Amino acid sequence: QSALTQPASVSGSPGQSITISCTGTSSDVGGYNSVSWYQQYPGKAPKLIIYEVTNRPSGVSNRFSASKSGNTASLTISGLQAEDEADYYCSSYTSNSTYVLFGGGTKLTVL
Amino acid sequence: QVQLVQSGAEVKKPGASVKVSCKASGYTFTDYFMHWVRQAPGQGLEWMGWINPNSGGTNYAQKFQGRVTMTRDTSITTVYMELTSLRSDDTAVYFCARCRRVTPPFDYWGQGTLVTVSS
Repeated sequence: QSALTQPASVSGSPGQSITISCTGTSSDVGGYNSVSWYQQYPGKAPKLIIYEVTNRPSGVSNRFSASKSGNTASLTISGLQAEDEADYYCSSYTSNSTYVLFGGGTKLTVL
Repeated sequence: QVQLVQSGAEVKKPGASVKVSCKASGYTFTDYFMHWVRQAPGQGLEWMGWINPNSGGTNYAQKFQGRVTMTRDTSITTVYMELTSLRSDDTAVYFCARCRRVTPPFDYWGQGTLVTVSS
């Protein structure tokens, strides 16, 4: 099964807001509240920043928010900061044999 | 604090096997599932499977069935991922990742283990 679809790259200036989309199907993103988002710096392990579609783990900045509509989930980062420059991955449970799907990743550049 | 510490980098020849370990600390080992996720150079994340450290039960992605085996040793709070019949496209960083339930999210990750497959 194909990965969830994310834009390859997004960019924004400090202080601005950006949104990253994650599109799947009714068998994954649209069918379950199991979407999570991860932030990954080069050479580092991913870090959980959103779970169960909209929830932030303790310690994650409230500048990160997320939502879902139909088969598309979205991550919004407000008040962009230089430290937000990283790769972002969405993930979802899927009812097919693949079990867990990831998006292809989005590289965020802070201009 | 929760820590997942993985074994060091490996270089293997095509056709060989590799076994990566992930030692857990800072929480009750048997209360959380452990998943394995890999990332080829410059590529995205790919889910490989999970193990239930309590029962030893496993579930593997179809792509890896027959080549991957996940095990655990509760006495030393360590899980293992063995991948056999290695090919060059298995070159990747392999991560263990903790999960409260069978399904994501993965709340803690190991630091990653680079496995290089090259003749």
